This record gives sequence, C-alpha cells and structure tokens, in this order.
Amino acid sequence: KQEVTQIPAALSVPEGENLVLNCSFTDSAIYNLQWFRQDPGKGLTSLLLIQSSQREQTSGRLNASLDKSSGRSTLYIAASQPGDSATYLCAVQGGSQGNLIFGKGTKLSVKP
Amino acid sequence: ETGVTQSPTHLIKTRGQQVTLRCSSQSGHNTVSWYQQALGQGPQFIFQYYREEENGRGNFPPRFSGLQFPNYSSELNVNALELDDSALYLCASSLGSGGAVTQYFGPGTRLLVL
Repeated sequence: KQEVTQIPAALSVPEGENLVLNCSFTDSAIYNLQWFRQDPGKGLTSLLLIQSSQREQTSGRLNASLDKSSGRSTLYIAASQPGDSATYLCAVQGGSQGNLIFGKGTKLSVKP
Repeated sequence: ETGVTQSPTHLIKTRGQQVTLRCSSQSGHNTVSWYQQALGQGPQFIFQYYREEENGRGNFPPRFSGLQFPNYSSELNVNALELDDSALYLCASSLGSGGAVTQYFGPGTRLLVL
C-alpha cells in the first residue's frame, strides 16, 4: 500500500531564505509525482508535475526533483517571499485508476 | 483556473442528514474523481467515475455514493452524515482514466456536520 510522508510538518523562515521541502513514498511504481499549493480554506493549485522518467522540473523560483528508486522528492523554493506562505502537498499517481495519493503537507510560513 | 466548478462552496448539515455535492468537469473531460480532505490532512481518494460508471473506490463506506451524468458532470452523495464527515470535498476531472492522466481540481465544497 502506497504511503506518502512529508517532512517537516511545519516550517517558519525569514523572507529571502532558500528552503527545501521533503516528500517520500513507499512504492516506486508511480506514473508521476506532483506538488500542490493550498491556501487556507481553498482548493489545490498545481505547481509542478514530474513524470516518472524525469529527474526534475522547474518553474520560476521552484524546482522539484524526483528520485524514484529511493522514493524521494524535494521541492526547492528560492528566495522565499511572504506570499509563498501556504501548505505544500506532495502526491504520487499510480494504480489502475490513476488516483492521487497525498501526503499530509508541509505548512510554510515566510516572515517579512 | 482549471475550468472545474463545484457547488455549493459551503454548507452546514446536522448528523444523520443526507447531502449532495456537485461537480462540473472541464470541457472535454470524461472522468471525475472525488477526494475528501479532513482538517490538517491530505486529500483521500473516495471514488472515480469514468463514462458514467464507477471506476474504482477508496476506503470509504457505501453511504458515500456518486453519479456521473451524460455531460460528465458528477454528484457525490453522503447519507447518514457523521461528525467526521466534516471536511473539504474536492473533485478533479481528467480526460481518461488510469495511467498518467493529469487531474484538474475544482475549488472544493466545505461541509460542516453538527
């Protein structure tokens, strides 16, 4: 049974810092891994999707890496801003229906 | 914006009641997946509908049921509501089922059961 774990559960950093969020999964038989952002009380915003054959994806200040063999992904945020404050969720896609299996998220707070 | 809409945005029910949540999929998509997100948790897969048929289910009891219509919009019905059903309900639409199809999420419906 696939399990996704995100560490840390919460993170508080001063503005301008570079930071790394971690995600691990137990079954390497995945189609892809996706990082989402969720603002309080809101739905999910897709940030980056890494196919199983890829090693990383970049979008602006965000870079996500995937090591499928070790069951790990990292989300790197450069030069953090207060507007980056949100919960970041990692999800892997697998199985016959292609349903997503999510971690519990990392709650990020960037202080001005 | 993903083009996926959900209604209502919020609602309050009492224990034992029944509720229906609605999802309109993105144009051209024929698959809808439903997820439940309890407070402080990641979303959990409830079930998926593909071409009007249930196509897979997570670990949820039968009082969670659904429908998909010919226009591929979908409903999630929950009977005999319990306090633990309080959560954000998310639907996601996609073109096709399984494999590496990308799912596009709606804004969610927040349900509070008192």
